[in-house]
Amino acid sequence: DTEVTQTPKHLVMGMTNKKSLKCEQHMGHRAMYWYKQKAKKPPELMFVYSYEKLSINESVPSRFSPECPNSSLLNLHLHALQPEDSALYLCASSQVSSGSSTDTQYFGPGTRLTVL
Amino acid sequence: DAKTTQPPSMDCAEGRAANLPCNHSTISGNEYVYWYRQIHSQGPQYIIHGLKNNETNEMASLIITEDRKSSTLILPHATLRDTAVYYCIVRVWTGGFKTIFGAGTRLFVKA
Repeated sequence: DTEVTQTPKHLVMGMTNKKSLKCEQHMGHRAMYWYKQKAKKPPELMFVYSYEKLSINESVPSRFSPECPNSSLLNLHLHALQPEDSALYLCASSQVSSGSSTDTQYFGPGTRLTVL
Repeated sequence: DAKTTQPPSMDCAEGRAANLPCNHSTISGNEYVYWYRQIHSQGPQYIIHGLKNNETNEMASLIITEDRKSSTLILPHATLRDTAVYYCIVRVWTGGFKTIFGAGTRLFVKA
């Protein structure tokens, strides 16, 4: 099974709201990722967690706050977002996170976020 | 970071082979080439990856040149459901695996 699940599928929020996106995998993967994808553009890496520790933050604004409570779960907490943050947010996971040259990522279906 | 370049779009007739090229001239010796595809508004789907030898699985074949500066993904018998954006990716280890997506190739399979 190579399934990564994401909830919710769609989210509409106002600029003053606080919401969270959730991602889950049960493949025993120890690396998890958040990407942002605007319409007709490729995904852009936001954060990487390795063994539940944040290892890469691609200079993402602090209104996006990731959290990895355990090896199967990844959250993205959202606060005071702007309309330009509307996008498809993708989660991914991979098995190997330290030093190997090959590491296949598996992506979830994404959460479509609209900020009003 | 290794970067990839791909043609923005390609057409293919249904039932024919689709050959999608990718240039990755700055790839390092131990970096793998990955191919993913994304069907409209879905998450990217893994297709295949390779280092320097040609690879084949149930979905596709991957041909990597001897100098590793370019590769070609081959879908042997394209169907309408193969219409998607295809991404060629080189993943870089920087304390965590960093994936940089290029612009991808939009493949249109026509009946």
